[in-house]
Amino acid sequence: QKEVEQNSGPLSVPEGAIASLNCTYSDRGSQSFFWYRQYSGKSPELIMFIYSNGDKEDGRFTAQLNKASQYVSLLIRDSQPSDSATYLCAVAPNYGGSQGNLIFGKGTKLSVKP
Amino acid sequence: DVKVTQSSRYLVKRTGEKVFLECVQDMDHENMFWYRQDPGLGLRLIYFSYDVKMKEKGDIPEGYSVSREKKERFSLILESASTNQTSMYLCASSLVSGTLVAGELFFGEGSRLTVL
Repeated sequence: QKEVEQNSGPLSVPEGAIASLNCTYSDRGSQSFFWYRQYSGKSPELIMFIYSNGDKEDGRFTAQLNKASQYVSLLIRDSQPSDSATYLCAVAPNYGGSQGNLIFGKGTKLSVKP
Repeated sequence: DVKVTQSSRYLVKRTGEKVFLECVQDMDHENMFWYRQDPGLGLRLIYFSYDVKMKEKGDIPEGYSVSREKKERFSLILESASTNQTSMYLCASSLVSGTLVAGELFFGEGSRLTVL
């Protein structure tokens, strides 16, 4: 059974701090990794994806991937109250073969306090 | 912008009723998915389809069926609704795998189903 694990939180950080969200996955053959943000009562939306080991930065967001440790993380710099949401980690079992079928973690709830 | 539209935002049905949830996407995506989302359980895949008239079971297909007669439309059917099918149902679509955006799912707004 392929699994994606996340700390459910809630993770509470003060405004302006760095929020660090973590995710581990069980399928060593996984190739592509995604972070979705879901506001309360809304549907998930993609904010980052990463395929290669290392860091990938997009504005205030940085995704980090370590395939040897089967670990992916999302850093949010200068956290804002508007970042308060549930963050879902998702893993595609095989790049180019999964038809986009993702395995989702249960999500980490982030709360940014003004 | 990609748009995935789910026909009903809120539904209330009785046990044993047949329920249809409709989903339409306007970006010519090959793949379409139905998930349900429950507190503490996360998103769970019910069925997906990678082509017209094609369907594949996800992790929790029991009690559900699907129909994809046209590329843009993917329907979820509950043949005989039960109370344990009370949930938020999310439809999603994506481009075919093998592209750089493989795995980018575009979700509809969700259909909250209550079965009494």
